[in-house]
Amino acid sequence: DVKVTQSSRYLVKRTGEKVFLECVQDMDHENMFWYRQDPGLGLRLIYFSYDVKMKEKGDIPEGYSVSREKKERFSLILESASTNQTSMYLCASSQPTTGDEKLFFGSGTQLSVL
Amino acid sequence: SQQGEEDPQALSIQEGENATMNCSYKTSINNLQWYRQNSGRGLVHLILIRSNEREKHSGRLRVTLDTSKKSSSLLITASRAADTASYFCATDDNNNDMRFGAGTRLTVKP
Repeated sequence: DVKVTQSSRYLVKRTGEKVFLECVQDMDHENMFWYRQDPGLGLRLIYFSYDVKMKEKGDIPEGYSVSREKKERFSLILESASTNQTSMYLCASSQPTTGDEKLFFGSGTQLSVL
Repeated sequence: SQQGEEDPQALSIQEGENATMNCSYKTSINNLQWYRQNSGRGLVHLILIRSNEREKHSGRLRVTLDTSKKSSSLLITASRAADTASYFCATDDNNNDMRFGAGTRLTVKP
C-alpha cells in the first residue's frame, strides 16, 4: 500500500517563525499536493507539483512556498507564520493515469501559530 | 476556488438506515471521486466514477453521476456506527489538480 508520511502530527509555532512541513511518499508518484483544511471550508489546494523541481500554485498560495528537490519529498514552507495559518495541513500524492487518478493522503499536521 | 459542494452539511441517522449525500460541481470534469475522513485524520479514497459513467457500486456504496446537472450522489446502504465520518467529493478536471468540497458530516447512531 502507498504510504504518505507527514513529519509531524502536531506543531506549535510562534508568529513570524519560518515553518517547514515535510511530506514523503514511498510509491514513486509523480504528483504531490498540499491542502489546508479548516472547519466549514473543506480542503483548499495550496500548491501542487507534477515533477521534481516543478510547482504550481493552487487556490491559496499566498504566504506559502514549496520545494520538491526529490521525487518522494514535497515540503511546504511558511515563510513567516501568522495566526491565520493555524490549520490542519494535508499532504497527498497520486500517479497520473488516464481517468483513474486518485489521491493518497498523509495523516495530517495540525499547526497552531501563536 | 472550491469545485464541489456537498449537501447536506451534516446528516444523522440510525444504524441500518441508508445515507445519501449529494455533490454539485461547476466545471467539466474528467472524473469525480468520493473520500472519507475519520475525525482528525487524513482522507481515504472510497470510489471513483468517470465522466462517461452514470452509476458505480462498491460494496455498500453506490455512486451516481449526472454530468448534465453537474451533480453526484453517494449512497451508503445499511449504515453502521463505523461509517460515522466526514465524506468529501473531489473533482478531477484533468489539469493535474483536484478540488474538494466542504464535506458532509455523517453520524450513525447505534
